[in-house]
Amino acid sequence: GESVGLHLPTLSVQEGDNSIINCAYSNSASDYFIWYKQESGKGPQFIIDIRSNMDKRQGQRVTVLLNKTVKHLSLQIAATQPGDSAVYFCAENPRRGKLIFGQGTELSVKP
Amino acid sequence: DTGVSQDPRHKITKRGQNVTFRCDPISEHNRLYWYRQTLGQGPEFLTYFQNEAQLEKSRLLSDRFSAERPKGSFSTLEIQRTEQGDSAMYLCASGGQGDTEAFFGQGTRLTVV
Repeated sequence: GESVGLHLPTLSVQEGDNSIINCAYSNSASDYFIWYKQESGKGPQFIIDIRSNMDKRQGQRVTVLLNKTVKHLSLQIAATQPGDSAVYFCAENPRRGKLIFGQGTELSVKP
Repeated sequence: DTGVSQDPRHKITKRGQNVTFRCDPISEHNRLYWYRQTLGQGPEFLTYFQNEAQLEKSRLLSDRFSAERPKGSFSTLEIQRTEQGDSAMYLCASGGQGDTEAFFGQGTRLTVV
């Protein structure tokens, strides 16, 4: 079936280091991908998105990389801060309008 | 607040009772989603509306679940004859035209006792 999966369920980094969160997707028809951040007790918060006609997109302290050949997505967070501690999800659209989420990676930032 | 609004934020109900949740999307957003999330898992797709039309419903969704969006604005999700396994966070999200980001509400946490 359709699925989006994450390689690492937990990631612990030192404050100031860069973080990389990975995601594998299975549906080659997906042409739009989103990263969300979810803090405890809150709904997912949009971070950054990328379309399949792009390999890389940068935001403020975040970069998303898309490798369609191996169906892999990554989120890079520069100079990770304690406020970045949360669960991160990638989501894909296997067909127009629908969004499918993966399991999530918990990012823990040590001061 | 111009974000996605969900009501109630918390609901405790006895097994067998019916519950209804409401979602008010961002104004003029034509896409509306319902998701269910349990601890440690990603949001699980339940259903999707484009304006008032329910375009897709998860095959995992039992007949006890029904969603409506009668005027293409707010939406309701009803669960009939609740079971303990229905305990979860129910999330609503809305999005604008085309394939763009979807914005989530804070969710309704349901506990079935």
